[in-house]
This record gives sequence, C-alpha cells and structure tokens, in this order.
Amino acid sequence: GQQLNQSPQSMFIQEGEDVSMNCTSSSIFNTWLWYKQDPGEGPVLLIALYKAGELTSNGRLTAQFGITRKDSFLNISASIPSDVGIYFCAGHRSTSYGKLTFGQGTILTVHP
Amino acid sequence: AAGVIQSPRHLIKEKRETATLKCYPIPRHDTVYWYQQGPGQDPQFLISFYEKMQSDKGSIPDRFSAQQFSDYHSELNMSSLELGDSALYFCASSLGASGETQYFGPGTRLLVL
Repeated sequence: GQQLNQSPQSMFIQEGEDVSMNCTSSSIFNTWLWYKQDPGEGPVLLIALYKAGELTSNGRLTAQFGITRKDSFLNISASIPSDVGIYFCAGHRSTSYGKLTFGQGTILTVHP
Repeated sequence: AAGVIQSPRHLIKEKRETATLKCYPIPRHDTVYWYQQGPGQDPQFLISFYEKMQSDKGSIPDRFSAQQFSDYHSELNMSSLELGDSALYFCASSLGASGETQYFGPGTRLLVL
C-alpha cells in the first residue's frame, strides 16, 4: 500500500513564483529521490538525497532530506513554463534492493 | 549521455494475448527494475534484477515473468493479458544492486483491447 504522502496534489502558479512540495512517511527511508514526469514519458531524476539533513541544489531546484528520515521537500524557485509536469518523490530503503516507493505526485501548472 | 532504452514504445494487444517488453539499461549499469504505472497513478514496482539474478520482487502478477540477459538487457513477458494490464511500463537501471539511484526509460504504453 501507499506509504508516502505527497502534497499538494496540484498547484497552479504564475510564472516567476516559487514552489514548494513535500513528502512524508510513517517509516524511515535511507534515500529520497525527486523525479519530474511529462505526460506519457518516463520519470526524469532531478535530485537524489542520501543523508539525513542533506540539502542539495540543482539549478533552480533545492531539496532536503529530513532529519528524521521520514520526510523530504522540493523547492523550485522562479518557476518557468517548462516546469509544468508531475513531480514525484520516491523513497528507498537499504533493506529493499530494488523497490522505490513513490508519492502520489504533484501536478504543477505554470501560467505565463 | 546514453539513457535507458525501451521497446516497443507503444503496443496494442487483445485480451489473452502475450506481450514482450524489452529494456536496455544505461551502459555499465548492471541492475534493471520494472515498474507499472496506471493512468493517474504513481509507478508501482514489479521486479528487479542484478547480475542476471532476481534481486527484489514487488506486486508482479504470476502471469508476468522477467529475466535479465548476459548483456544486462531485460525482458518482461506478459501472458494471458487482461484489460487491467493496460498501463505504462517503465524500466529503470542503476549501477549496483542497492537501487538507490534509478534512471528511468521512456516507457512502453500497453493497451489491451
């Protein structure tokens, strides 16, 4: 069953605004990943976080691995129209060799 | 940089038919993962392989089987297809069995009529 709660489910923002989304879990993950998916395409890895407390940036994207290892957030600064898409968080446990557990996704719409 | 390659990109099958999806991982990646994504859903893990051995198993139906070959490519075989099998099927690859950082392919869209 679903173990990651991602919010918000959708966001409608104006170009230039900042965006924040987060994922929480009732259990610990050892790695947090953030992906962006365009309709009909595969998820594209944006940021990977490997240590509790880690703060990582990738251009206008910033993500943090929560201290408790049960949450993570993604911020997008100065949004642009091409940021439109579905953003997924995903968690990985070291006890699980393959499985990524995904959040429900955040649908981002950016109005020019 | 080379990415994960999946074929075919689109597939239409009738109920009770079989389908084979192929995945070619990023060069030097030794681990492949298969995920199923239904409309409006998040990807659900099916199965993974490391060095040609099954490394983890998720919610994969018994009608499905998969394997990884000596060149590290993988095939997902789906038999007795049902309408509910219509979905996007993604393959991901990583270097090493830990599965921490997985890179996804473009997916195969399967439609079962």
